[in-house]
Amino acid sequence: DADVTQTPRNRITKTGKRIMLECSQTKGHDRMYWYRQDPGLGLRLIYYSFDVKDINKGEISDGYSVSRQAQAKFSLSLESAIPNQTALYFCATSPNRAGELFFGEGSRLTVL
Amino acid sequence: DAKTTQPPSMDCAEGRAANLPCNHSTISGNEYVYWYRQIHSQGPQYIIHGLKNNETNEMASLIITEDRKSSTLILPHATLRDTAVYYCIVSALRTSYDKVIFGPGTSLSVIP
Repeated sequence: DADVTQTPRNRITKTGKRIMLECSQTKGHDRMYWYRQDPGLGLRLIYYSFDVKDINKGEISDGYSVSRQAQAKFSLSLESAIPNQTALYFCATSPNRAGELFFGEGSRLTVL
Repeated sequence: DAKTTQPPSMDCAEGRAANLPCNHSTISGNEYVYWYRQIHSQGPQYIIHGLKNNETNEMASLIITEDRKSSTLILPHATLRDTAVYYCIVSALRTSYDKVIFGPGTSLSVIP
């Protein structure tokens, strides 16, 4: 089984709908991240969390919110999805050592 | 903004060494250089990292210049399965609020 699991892997939704992407990990890492990837733009950081009580905005947090329900779980929400949020979303974890990241397999979101 | 610059694309003949450059002229003394790769739309995979000494593992070698302003990832005998986007990032260890930023990377095509 994967150490970092993302659900759903694929989702098609309509403009205005609320969407939640979930990430769970079995690596025991404190640090968790949500990234967004658009073609040709690399990965852009949305939110990151260094423990359950520490959540921080990344480069592109507008239109997104997160919840760190437990050390192992970090969810990304789109309260009212819009078409330009169509992208591939990655969750990642790291131990208490910035830089070495372990990624999930991604969640492909399409907003019509 | 990403702290690194990489060429957008490179080609390499199968069986030859692939040398991928990265400039990080503003790197700080406590920042490490990390390399990841992303095959198609899978989650990025950690390859190697280093501070100032050259490093080698089963996947690749990392050569860092003496002034630490640039580095080169070397895949000694490239195969078709090494076709991927390669990301070079810099990150400090043990920095509480450091966040890892990925640029667009280098798209490596290994040619038969």
